[in-house]
Amino acid sequence: EVQLVESGGGLVQPGGSLRLSCAASGFTIGTYWMSWVRQAPGKGLEWVANIKPDGSEKNFVDSVKGRFTISRDNAKNSLSLQMDSLRPEDTGVYFCARDWPAQGCDYWGLGTLVTVSS
Amino acid sequence: DIQMTQSPSTVSASVGDRVTITCRASQNIDTWLAWYQQKPGKAPKILIYKASGLQSGVPSRFSGGGSGTDFTLTISSLQPDDFATYYCQHYKTSSRTFGQGTKVEIK
Repeated sequence: EVQLVESGGGLVQPGGSLRLSCAASGFTIGTYWMSWVRQAPGKGLEWVANIKPDGSEKNFVDSVKGRFTISRDNAKNSLSLQMDSLRPEDTGVYFCARDWPAQGCDYWGLGTLVTVSS
Repeated sequence: DIQMTQSPSTVSASVGDRVTITCRASQNIDTWLAWYQQKPGKAPKILIYKASGLQSGVPSRFSGGGSGTDFTLTISSLQPDDFATYYCQHYKTSSRTFGQGTKVEIK
């Protein structure tokens, strides 16, 4: 059974950092693009970043460029999102998802909540 | 960047109704479009891929159509389990974008 489990969320002050992790099971992430998607409280979905299977290509939404870094460890079947210089508008639930270039995101984790507040 | 615009933002409907949601892309995305359903407090669930492909396990009352810049998601006969928020997402480029969502609520 395919499963994605996010962790690492929490309360952080503006300007602070947080590292999110996503542990995959039931499949090998090394053959898939992987994405992070977030959702601010009461708002819609926002695609944040994705990474190619071999890690050679990474893409980010404009609002996080230069602040967030996406990485993967295919040997550990895991995905990470390093978030620096956090802002209140980064608050929300962060989901990791398996991302097919020809199909979209077919499996999602349950999400981890990030709150940026003083 | 490609922008995605959904309409309407909210649709009020009854069980058994036919519901159609529209998604418009700011430029040609061919058929690189997916539709998702999300219920409160839950992760999104993919319904449709490549504009009209029905994801395995999704009821056949859901259908997608369109190409280029204009797309639709249709629920042929609304069921109680279908009251949720629906999102379109393009994947024409490596940078994906979602529409703002359409909430299907009970009339």
